Amino acid sequence: QLQLQESGPGLVKPSETLSLTCTVSGGSIRSSSYYWAWIRQPPGKGLEWIGSIYYSGRTYYTPSLKSRVTISVDTSKNQFSLKLNSVTAADTAMYYCARRHANDRYFDLWGRGTLVTVSS
Amino acid sequence: QSALTQPRSVSGSPGQSVTISCTGTSSDFGGYDYVSWYQHHPGKAPKLMIYDVSKRPSGVPDRFSGSNSGNTASLTISGLQAEDEADYYCCSYAGSYTWVFGGGTKLTVL
Repeated sequence: QLQLQESGPGLVKPSETLSLTCTVSGGSIRSSSYYWAWIRQPPGKGLEWIGSIYYSGRTYYTPSLKSRVTISVDTSKNQFSLKLNSVTAADTAMYYCARRHANDRYFDLWGRGTLVTVSS
Repeated sequence: QSALTQPRSVSGSPGQSVTISCTGTSSDFGGYDYVSWYQHHPGKAPKLMIYDVSKRPSGVPDRFSGSNSGNTASLTISGLQAEDEADYYCCSYAGSYTWVFGGGTKLTVL
């Protein structure tokens, strides 16, 4: 059964770069059937879609974060990653990775999430 | 794109029905019938409960149903059970391979 697991530093300093990795186990990230996404939830707030990537490297980002976000894929490690630069306290959130079938418009599998706090 | 609007909380007794609304603008919904709903128990991975407005994934009880009317989508849970207590989020495809979520609704089973 395919599983997603987020990992990365739980504490990032303001103005620095947040870096997270999602490891896909039980299946191949190279599948042409899926897109892989990052979604976040600030404390006490709702979910926010950050962006998605296809195994080929094609990406889509939410307009509000597009200037600071990079999502990449490493098919050799079966992982995809999120980089968010110039972070502020507003980027403190639980970060989730998720999967979407290429022909669908919903996220059918999620990781448990990882909390990232932006603080000096 | 702005977040879809959901009530902060709803509650119901076991066996009762509750409905959670999700309101947005026409641009939020993009004119598509691509609304999905997720159940989230704290500390666990969010779970897909409804997709394409009213379809249920395999394994989701038929007590969960979805609908939409205009710029408001709804999730109805009938025959409430204690394990339904969770946070629920709506999500809509907004076009151009972008998505918008709701602020979330905390369901309390009394």
